[in-house]
Amino acid sequence: QKEVEQNSGPLSVPEGAIASLNCTYSDRGSQSFFWYRQYSGKSPELIMFIYSNGDKEDGRFTAQLNKASQYVSLLIRDSQPSDSATYLCAVNERTGGSYIPTFGRGTSLIVHP
Amino acid sequence: DVKVTQSSRYLVKRTGEKVFLECVQDMDHENMFWYRQDPGLGLRLIYFSYDVKMKEKGDIPEGYSVSREKKERFSLILESASTNQTSMYLCASTLSGGGPDTQYFGPGTRLTVL
Repeated sequence: QKEVEQNSGPLSVPEGAIASLNCTYSDRGSQSFFWYRQYSGKSPELIMFIYSNGDKEDGRFTAQLNKASQYVSLLIRDSQPSDSATYLCAVNERTGGSYIPTFGRGTSLIVHP
Repeated sequence: DVKVTQSSRYLVKRTGEKVFLECVQDMDHENMFWYRQDPGLGLRLIYFSYDVKMKEKGDIPEGYSVSREKKERFSLILESASTNQTSMYLCASTLSGGGPDTQYFGPGTRLTVL
């Protein structure tokens, strides 16, 4: 059974701080890694994806991947109250011709003014 | 932009009723997925389909079936609804091959079974 683990939180950070969200996964065959943001009452939307070890930056967001440690993280710099949401980590594994995701249960982030 | 639509945002049904949840995507995606989302349990995969008339069980298929007669449409069927199927149901689609296989989600259907 593939597992993706996230701390449920809530993680509370002050406005302007760096928020660090973490995710570990069990399947070493996993090939691609995603972070989704889900606002209350809404459906998830993609923040970032990462395939290779190291860091990937997009604006205020940085995804970090360490396949040896089976660990992926998301850093949010200069956190804003509008970043308050649940962040879902998803790990894809190739099954036949398709990539099938396993989602973590999500980390709730609260950015307070 | 990819658009995934679901037939209803809110649905109330009675125990034992047959329930159809419809999902339509407009970007010619090969893969379509049905999830349910419950507090504390996260997103759980019910079924997915990688082609017309093809389907594969996910992690929690019991009590559900699916139908994919056209590429753009993927239906979730609850043959005899039960109260433990009260949940948020999310449909998603992805493009197969190449690219990051991002999941594009519909707005969700909140189903209540009384």
